[in-house]
Amino acid sequence: DQQVKQNSPSLSVQEGRISILNCDYTNSMFDYFLWYKKYPAEGPTFLISISSIKDKNEDGRFTVFLNKSAKHLSLHIVPSQPGDSAVYFCAASATMTTDSWGKLQFGAGTQVVVTP
Amino acid sequence: GAVVSQHPSWVICKSGTSVKIECRSLDFQATTMFWYRQFPKQSLMLMATSNEGSKATYEQGVEKDKFLINHASLTLSTLTVTSAHPEDSSFYICSARGLTSEWEQFFGPGTRLTVL
Repeated sequence: DQQVKQNSPSLSVQEGRISILNCDYTNSMFDYFLWYKKYPAEGPTFLISISSIKDKNEDGRFTVFLNKSAKHLSLHIVPSQPGDSAVYFCAASATMTTDSWGKLQFGAGTQVVVTP
Repeated sequence: GAVVSQHPSWVICKSGTSVKIECRSLDFQATTMFWYRQFPKQSLMLMATSNEGSKATYEQGVEKDKFLINHASLTLSTLTVTSAHPEDSSFYICSARGLTSEWEQFFGPGTRLTVL
């Protein structure tokens, strides 16, 4: 079963506006979350992460928000730029469980298209 | 830093043959490497985790006799798809975790396998 869900397969946003990508998870053992960006025929590249002890982490134009009670996180990109057009994956890890240590569970991804 | 390469980037083979995919960490030592498989428009699915010098740990449903993984050194892991069939056609991506990074994985560019 899919423990990390990205329910929006695609998102179109105008250049300069805010992009909001959502991610939900079901496993309460997840305590570390990451966002990756992926271009076609390339491997994912790390964007930003957040630990469950925080509810917000910011890095330049990228901010990740975590709502543990709702098991929901979101990635905000502002302002959006044409170069941000890519597939964005949400990933989660259960850092305190031995058999899951270091493993990442990925969502299905959201295709973002930033139009001029 | 933290560059991971994969070779080949794409391969076409006949049904029944075996294909080897290499994953190398170029500028760091990778104690753990992960192998993922991605179908079009779907999530990255973890296939197996390999630690240098020990046997790989396979995820449920992944045939270890079909997908042979060798992690012979701190910079190289190989995935061999044995007796490949058309249903094995997919995008295979490796990632590596270094000695200093506990949770972050650095991904290779992926290998597109097409089995005729």
